[in-house]
Amino acid sequence: QVQLQESGPGLVKPSESLSLICSVSGGSISTSVHYWGWIRQPPGKGLEWIGNIDYVGTTYYNPSLKSRLTISLDTSSNHFSLMLTSVTAADAALYFCARGGDAGFGEFEYWGQGILVAVSS
Amino acid sequence: DIQMTQSPSSVSASVGDRVTITCRASQGVSNWVAWYQQAPGKKPHLLIYAASTLQTGVPSRFSGSGSGTEFTLTISSLQPEDFATYYCQQAHSFPYTFGQGTKLEI
Repeated sequence: QVQLQESGPGLVKPSESLSLICSVSGGSISTSVHYWGWIRQPPGKGLEWIGNIDYVGTTYYNPSLKSRLTISLDTSSNHFSLMLTSVTAADAALYFCARGGDAGFGEFEYWGQGILVAVSS
Repeated sequence: DIQMTQSPSSVSASVGDRVTITCRASQGVSNWVAWYQQAPGKKPHLLIYAASTLQTGVPSRFSGSGSGTEFTLTISSLQPEDFATYYCQQAHSFPYTFGQGTKLEI
C-alpha cells in the first residue's frame, strides 16, 4: 500500500522560502509510471493544484506560482520535494502531496495527511 | 485556465436522500474529471475518475456522469458518513483546477 507523508516547517517568515518533503513508502518514485503532485488548501477554502512531477522528473507548474516554485525528485531517498520562494501570507495553507492513479486521468489516488504551514514574522 | 463551477455551494439533506452535485467546466474537458470527498480536517478521498469510473473500494451509491462541460456526482442514498465537502477536478489541461466545493450538511 502506497503511503505519503509530508514534512517541513510549520512556520515560515514572509519573504523567506518554504521547503517541504513528501516521503513515499510502498513504492518507488523512480520506477513507477505515476505522477506525483502538490496541492494546497488555505484555511476554510478550497483546493488549489500547485504542480506535478513525473517519474522521470518532468515538471508541470501552476502558472500562478511558476516563478517561485521548484518541484524535484530525490530517487535515492524516495521522496519528492517542493520549494516555494518569497512566501507571503497568501501562501499559508494546508499542503498535501499526492500520487496519481493507475488510470492516468489526472486523478490523485493517494494523499498524504497534509502539513499546515503558517506565514508570519 | 479552465474554471470549474460547482453547484450548489451547500446542500442540506437527510439520511436516505438522493443528492446530485453539478460541476460545469468553462470549456470542454472531455471526460477528464475526478470527484473527491473531504471530511473536515482530513485529506481528500478519490471517489470517481474519468468522469464516471468508480474508484476501487468506493460504495456503489456514488456515481458520476457527464462529458464535455457538464458533470454530475450523485449519491443515491445518503449515509451518515457521506456528510462532507465534495470537489470536482479537471485534468484535461494544465493547470489542473478544482471546483470551489459543495458542502453536504445534515
